[in-house]
Amino acid sequence: QSVLTQPPSVSGAPGQRVTISCTGSSSNIGAGYDVHWYQQLPGTAPKLLIYDNNNRPSGVPDRFSGSKSGTLASLAISGLQAEDEADYYCQSSDSSLRSRVFGGGTKLTVL
Amino acid sequence: EVHLLESGGGLVQPGGSLRLSCAASGFIFSSYAMSWVRQAPGKGLEWVSAITGSGGTTNHADSVKGRFTISRDNSRNTLYLQMNSLRAEDTAVYYCAKVLDTSGGYRPFGHWGQGTLVTVSS
Repeated sequence: QSVLTQPPSVSGAPGQRVTISCTGSSSNIGAGYDVHWYQQLPGTAPKLLIYDNNNRPSGVPDRFSGSKSGTLASLAISGLQAEDEADYYCQSSDSSLRSRVFGGGTKLTVL
Repeated sequence: EVHLLESGGGLVQPGGSLRLSCAASGFIFSSYAMSWVRQAPGKGLEWVSAITGSGGTTNHADSVKGRFTISRDNSRNTLYLQMNSLRAEDTAVYYCAKVLDTSGGYRPFGHWGQGTLVTVSS
């Protein structure tokens, strides 16, 4: 059971927009800790996609965006492409656990 | 260009020990906090251990506390994870990860190695 809750899977057709939610609690996201998102393509290491809630590292297309409100964070992917098919993980920090915490991951399928 | 290369994984019996290494290049190693993150087969990511740039402060997940020890040799640009009393549930790919910047606090992981597989089985 992950500290941060994500839907196991989402799907969308090419060109569509999908969102992935990440629900936390008052000891992590709700406490004001930043949320980061990672993309893991099949058979590869994770890659930082969004940091500090809504910032993109250089090289990440602006089709990817993040937001945070209260105990909920979201990753939005617009103009869905076949190469976006991957696992996506949210990550934050937790004051009770005094550690970084990850969501369980969401598998994105491009139909 | 940042490069992280893990090594030391393999098959070990329950109760055994293993030491992982992560050779770093392309950045000022001593300036950046580092972590180990693992991923069990078919499962999600789990943060394991973290260490500050100087090596003076370390932190471990409750699941490995007392069994795993993170350390670093800044003269060799190398990160380590000493794993003792290994259990079947420690079976995973172990990634070495560098924080994005030196701002302090719980910074995100900006760079990852390719991972090394640890299998605990008799």
